[in-house]
Amino acid sequence: SSELTQDPAVSVALGQTVKITCQGDSLRSYYASWYQQKPGQAPVFVMFGKNNRPSGIPDRFSGSSSGDTASLTITGAQAEDEADYYCHSRDSSGNHLIFGGGTKLTVL
Amino acid sequence: QLRLQESGPGLVKPSETLSLTCTVSGGSVSSSDYHWGWVRQPPGKGLEWIGSIYYTGSRSDNPSLKSRVTISVDTSKNLFSLRLSSVSATDTAVYYCAREMSGFGELDYWGQGILVTVSS
Repeated sequence: SSELTQDPAVSVALGQTVKITCQGDSLRSYYASWYQQKPGQAPVFVMFGKNNRPSGIPDRFSGSSSGDTASLTITGAQAEDEADYYCHSRDSSGNHLIFGGGTKLTVL
Repeated sequence: QLRLQESGPGLVKPSETLSLTCTVSGGSVSSSDYHWGWVRQPPGKGLEWIGSIYYTGSRSDNPSLKSRVTISVDTSKNLFSLRLSSVSATDTAVYYCAREMSGFGELDYWGQGILVTVSS
């Protein structure tokens, strides 16, 4: 399969924990990376590899992977975390890159 | 600090060719550690990977666009470019250039994006 599937929308109460998932056959072979996008802005790289945060990303963001599913967890969600989140990886052939459809995170 | 900046026309007529350039500063497109890629986002929709290129000229393109896409790199000017032929209204999108980490293909630096509208 050359698809990554995400839930279209997720909500979380302020200060609580939320997990955003991404499912696809290629994730059995390749790690996902994650991007946060706020309205009118370019995506920001927030997670990669097994559980690696780029410089400047708060440690409330963490990543995990099991089988065909990758997850981005925000522990203690803040109002500024409200955004669209996209997963990204290689397709099953390894030759092309693909994005998930995105998850809109609402912080209540 | 690495910076990527897209440039090009904001309006393209149907059936014509969209041409964009991404100028890289604070880093080199000739680095062996990275590829350089393009991603687009139609209004209100998700991200779509278009393709990427290595400094040697080796390329990989989205199969759904492959026949219309040409990505090139100019190491002397430290930039890379996108050409998308035979455009239609469905190609209207914000186009981003990005640096792609060799390996799993993570996109660690992005340009601010440029809106390209296809309309007569």
